[in-house]
Amino acid sequence: DVKVTQSSRYLVKRTGEKVFLECVQDMDHENMFWYRQDPGLGLRLIYFSYDVKMKEKGDIPEGYSVSREKKERFSLILESASTNQTSMYLCASSHQTGGGTEAFFGQGTRLTVV
Amino acid sequence: ILNVEQSPQSLHVQEGDSTNFTCSFPSSNFYALHWYRWETAKSPEALFVMTLNGDEKKKGRISATLNTKEGYSYLYIKGSQPEDSATYLCAFIAFNKFYFGSGTKLNVKP
Repeated sequence: DVKVTQSSRYLVKRTGEKVFLECVQDMDHENMFWYRQDPGLGLRLIYFSYDVKMKEKGDIPEGYSVSREKKERFSLILESASTNQTSMYLCASSHQTGGGTEAFFGQGTRLTVV
Repeated sequence: ILNVEQSPQSLHVQEGDSTNFTCSFPSSNFYALHWYRWETAKSPEALFVMTLNGDEKKKGRISATLNTKEGYSYLYIKGSQPEDSATYLCAFIAFNKFYFGSGTKLNVKP
């Protein structure tokens, strides 16, 4: 059974804290993605990685950074959490087939910044 | 930013009704179009992966069509059932990135 696992389901952090969201996949996928989901806005791409140590900014990278030191793990970092980063965060992964195969998603992390 | 639009935003139907949703996307730089189903408290799961203009896919009562030249895809559900209640997302794939629409939330009343 293929799996994308996010480290936490729910997280509450204080404004200004450094926050790490971890994602691990066991499918040997080249591509990994971080999205945030807000009501009425759908899934917006924060960062994308197509290989170890390689990354590209998505549509809303401000306030975030990422790390991919190993193929199976993709971390999203909130350098200094702010209340407007309260959201649902979804990690996904896929093979590098130009969209010919589907993406698999983690269960999501609901982050609240107080 | 690539614009992927879905309509309607939400839909309430009775059990047994047939329904359809639209996904609009850029007609240039097309690689693929995916449909995903996202049930509450679960992860999105792929329904269809479509790569060729004119593609038609079917899975049980759900089917999808693709027109890459005009930049749209339709998802059809025949004889909706309460278990079809979910948010349906389309994703436009370009340069290995997945760009999602905001989804159509379907509620099927028994």
